[in-house]
Amino acid sequence: GAVVSQHPSWVICKSGTSVKIECRSLDFQATTMFWYRQFPKQSLMLMATSNEGSKATYEQGVEKDKFLINHASLTLSTLTVTSAHPEDSSFYICSASSGRGSGSNEQFFGPGTRLTVL
Amino acid sequence: GQNIDQPTEMTATEGAIVQINCTYQTSGFNGLFWYQQHAGEAPTFLSYNVLDGLEEKGRFSSFLSRSKGYSYLLLKELQMKDSASYLCAVKDSNYQLIWGAGTKLIIKP
Repeated sequence: GAVVSQHPSWVICKSGTSVKIECRSLDFQATTMFWYRQFPKQSLMLMATSNEGSKATYEQGVEKDKFLINHASLTLSTLTVTSAHPEDSSFYICSASSGRGSGSNEQFFGPGTRLTVL
Repeated sequence: GQNIDQPTEMTATEGAIVQINCTYQTSGFNGLFWYQQHAGEAPTFLSYNVLDGLEEKGRFSSFLSRSKGYSYLLLKELQMKDSASYLCAVKDSNYQLIWGAGTKLIIKP
């Protein structure tokens, strides 16, 4: 089956620092990658969608200058939380799809990254 | 607007059967997904329905009625490990996944 990895699995940082999270598709080419955020006991919130080689599409209310997304290759996307603050503490999950959204192309999820900002 | 409705929480007994309902109102329809998510973990894919009817996969089955904007996930022979949140998601006309808030399923011995 398709495997998606995320690194790191958890990170604790000081307020004002930047944190980079990597998402890799290990055994397939991910044309499209998605970044989600999930607060405790809440559902997934899509932050942005990125297609390889093009700029990410951000959801309404998500600051693109704060959450920098790079999808430079078909197997790697990165999310950088710039100048992190305690309210950015959350569970960040990436997912990858081999299609551009059509059909039954399911999203394969990474294991998630738990970010805690002190 | 687009909306996915699921019950917030359900409780069932080990060995029994439980049905988790999902109703949706979306701009277009290009398939419905069910995912399982254990606490602190990422979602894992359970099923995909794009045509009306029942899809069976082992202990889990998923049903779809497009005319009613309705789906359910049926879990049989419940096991303690089935305690998790179950997420319903619909692909709209833009092929974007719209997520429900999830149903927390609690299994009691």
